[in-house]
Amino acid sequence: AQSVTQPDIHITVSEGASLELRCNYSYGATPYLFWYVQSPGQGLQLLLKYFSGDTLVQGIKGFEAEFKRSQSSFNLRKPSVHWSDAAEYFCAVARTPNDYKLSFGAGTTVTVRA
Amino acid sequence: DAGVIQSPRHEVTEMGQEVTLRCKPISGHNSLFWYRQTMMRGLELLIYFNNNVPIDDSGMPEDRFSAKMPNASFSTLKIQPSEPRDSAVYFCASSFEQGVWYGYTFGSGTRLTVV
Repeated sequence: AQSVTQPDIHITVSEGASLELRCNYSYGATPYLFWYVQSPGQGLQLLLKYFSGDTLVQGIKGFEAEFKRSQSSFNLRKPSVHWSDAAEYFCAVARTPNDYKLSFGAGTTVTVRA
Repeated sequence: DAGVIQSPRHEVTEMGQEVTLRCKPISGHNSLFWYRQTMMRGLELLIYFNNNVPIDDSGMPEDRFSAKMPNASFSTLKIQPSEPRDSAVYFCASSFEQGVWYGYTFGSGTRLTVV
């Protein structure tokens, strides 16, 4: 079965600094990978997804992620963090684009300090 | 588009009581999901409906949990009787079609506390 691991439970970053969140997946075939963000008191919102093609994926809110098959990773990055980026971030994987089931990681909470 | 609408936002109930959570998916979406989020287990898929038909209920914890989708614009998740370990945030999500390709839209969730 496919799964994802987010090694960092909590990250604190200064406003304006860069941010990188780690995600490692475990799946034998080509994975279909996602990043979601959950702001306090809100549901999850899709930031970006990777299905195939260019391994550097651009998303909303200035986020990007890079798929590295050799490292089984799909790390999320943002060059300059804003206070509104404080949230919980989830990496998720599916077996195929037609699969309805997403397997979510445990999440990484991001705190932004002024 | 109002998004996926869940009610209530918060529910506090006593152990043994029946709890009903409600969800209105986005109009035109034919796939609906109920997820549960807890600190211990993270996000778990409870049940998946496609065209109002339950396709996968393997994540429903036990017989105390039931879900229905009587029409394309409404779904309920019922817990009877409720127990303290059911305390969690319950999310409803909908999608245009089956498949992660189309992306899921989540509601804001119902925070359930069973005392």
